[in-house]
Amino acid sequence: SAVISQKPSRDICQRGTSLTIQCQVDSQVTMMFWYRQQPGQSLTLIATANQGSEATYESGFVIDKFPISRPNLTFSTLTVSNMSPEDSSIYLCSVPFQWTGEDTQYFGPGTRLTVL
Amino acid sequence: KNEVEQSPQNLTAQEGEFITINCSYSVGISALHWLQQHPGGGIVSLFMLSSGKKKHGRLIATINIQEKHSSLHITASHPRDSAVYICAVSGRGGGADGLTFGKGTHLIIQP
Repeated sequence: SAVISQKPSRDICQRGTSLTIQCQVDSQVTMMFWYRQQPGQSLTLIATANQGSEATYESGFVIDKFPISRPNLTFSTLTVSNMSPEDSSIYLCSVPFQWTGEDTQYFGPGTRLTVL
Repeated sequence: KNEVEQSPQNLTAQEGEFITINCSYSVGISALHWLQQHPGGGIVSLFMLSSGKKKHGRLIATINIQEKHSSLHITASHPRDSAVYICAVSGRGGGADGLTFGKGTHLIIQP
């Protein structure tokens, strides 16, 4: 299986500042996904981060607001830039991984962000 | 874009009851996932289905590709099953793309 850690686990930030969230996987994985879960809402895919290429963003998400780095096969960062209260969410990273011959999805514990 | 609908949104049942949660989607998929989210946010993958039926312990998941519908069943429910159950779909196989999620079913099992 894959074990995923995220830092920070939570943070309270001021409007206009930026926060970088780290995602560390204990195995090498090609693809990594970043999701957002706004209060009371379902998870939404922000972007797909492949090592060695630019991240692919979903409709409604742009690189200037959510820059992503993927320097190697076990690590990625997501930055939430110029934050506003609407960015208050749980941010999760996820990786697909094959375990006992079956594809499955593993999720990080999430970063709970509050923007004041 | 795929639309994923779950029902019911909330479900309260007594311990021991048989539980069914339903999921429907609008566009053909390569795989459907059932996930469990506990208070505090941690998400665990329960099943990944592309056809037929799977069983793990007291959990059973089925999918009907033609009808674009899946169900998650819990037999002999227990208070520790209380969680949010989320249906999610992917368009390509092997985890090659991100998931589209339903809004989840908040399940409470009372002793």
